[in-house]
Amino acid sequence: DVKVTQSSRYLVKRTGEKVFLECVQDMDHENMFWYRQDPGLGLRLIYFSYDVKMKEKGDIPEGYSVSREKKERFSLILESASTNQTSMYLCASTITSAGSGAFFGQGTRLTVV
Amino acid sequence: KNEVEQSPQNLTAQEGEFITINCSYSVGISALHWLQQHPGGGIVSLFMLSSGKKKHGRLIATINIQEKHSSLHITASHPRDSAVYICAAPHYGGSQGNLIFGKGTKLSVKP
Repeated sequence: DVKVTQSSRYLVKRTGEKVFLECVQDMDHENMFWYRQDPGLGLRLIYFSYDVKMKEKGDIPEGYSVSREKKERFSLILESASTNQTSMYLCASTITSAGSGAFFGQGTRLTVV
Repeated sequence: KNEVEQSPQNLTAQEGEFITINCSYSVGISALHWLQQHPGGGIVSLFMLSSGKKKHGRLIATINIQEKHSSLHITASHPRDSAVYICAAPHYGGSQGNLIFGKGTKLSVKP
């Protein structure tokens, strides 16, 4: 089974802190994604990556950056956390060829105080 | 750029009822995902389908590519089916790439 693992289920951080959310997948998937999920807004794409060291902005990249130094790991970075970044964050991975499913991590619920 | 609409937003059913959740999208695709999210947040992929119908246990997903519409059915619903069901389509059509999501349907099945 494909496994997508996020480093933390729950995080509480202070305003202004630098926050790292880590995501690791174990099936050699090319594509990895970071989404945030907010009530009434659904899942929105922050950043995605199709290959090592490659990144593309999604729909809401402001206040975030990402790093993909190895194929299996995709990190989301909040440079200076703010209260409006309190949310559920979900990582996903897929393979490029047609017919694949999307696999999600268990989610990280981040609270910025 | 695809737009994905789901209906209904909220659904309450009695145990045993037949459930239908609908999803429509605006850009032609060749694959659509149905996902399930339980309280606590984790998302599980239920189906990825490109044509016709797929069945897994009491869950059935159908898609009509020409009409840009998909449905998720649950037969003989049970309280453990209570979850948020989300459909997702490739953002720019086709079958791959980043996904855009519907806002989800919150299903509550009462015993």
